[in-house]
Amino acid sequence: DADVTQTPRNRITKTGKRIMLECSQTKGHDRMYWYRQDPGLGLRLIYYSFDVKDINKGEISDGYSVSRQAQAKFSLSLESAIPNQTALYFCATSDPPANEQFFGPGTRLTVL
Amino acid sequence: GENVEQHPSTLSVQEGDSAVIKCTYSDSASNYFPWYKQELGKRPQLIIDIRSNVGEKKDQRIAVTLNKTAKHFSLHITETQPEDSAVYFCAASYNFNKFYFGSGTKLNVKP
Repeated sequence: DADVTQTPRNRITKTGKRIMLECSQTKGHDRMYWYRQDPGLGLRLIYYSFDVKDINKGEISDGYSVSRQAQAKFSLSLESAIPNQTALYFCATSDPPANEQFFGPGTRLTVL
Repeated sequence: GENVEQHPSTLSVQEGDSAVIKCTYSDSASNYFPWYKQELGKRPQLIIDIRSNVGEKKDQRIAVTLNKTAKHFSLHITETQPEDSAVYFCAASYNFNKFYFGSGTKLNVKP
């Protein structure tokens, strides 16, 4: 089945460490997104990409960077992790004309 | 940017009753409004959506209404069942670009 996958699924790290979260999809979608989910705050957009050459900041991009290595791969990096980046991170994909967002299973990141 | 507010944050209903979740948005240019359901420990999944040229859309026990003038939209679930228990998120988007989500509603359906 075409799907969206994320690695790792869980990660515990320390303040100041560099972390990379990876997202892969077999849906053939051009559009990919990174969100973080915090209790009571819903899903907030970090970065999004509409094709390999297109990268856009979302609502809360400070402290994060991304790389679109291929149509199927979109990575999120935390250059120097801090405790308030502890959250559940979701990758999502979509494509016109349906535009439904398909989410990955999520990565639970804990920064100590 | 867009701001989406969602109420209530928690909602408890008896099985068989109806549930209504409401969202407001700030950007009148937004023209696409999806609703996602997230079961415990799972990923969000689209359950219904509505575009700004439509006032209401139904799919079996769920329906969404949109009032563009007032800039609010609502999710209605009738004949609730225990499997409807989950967190529900509304979202708003202009031309399917960036999506702005509400803060979520935790629905508990009591058997």
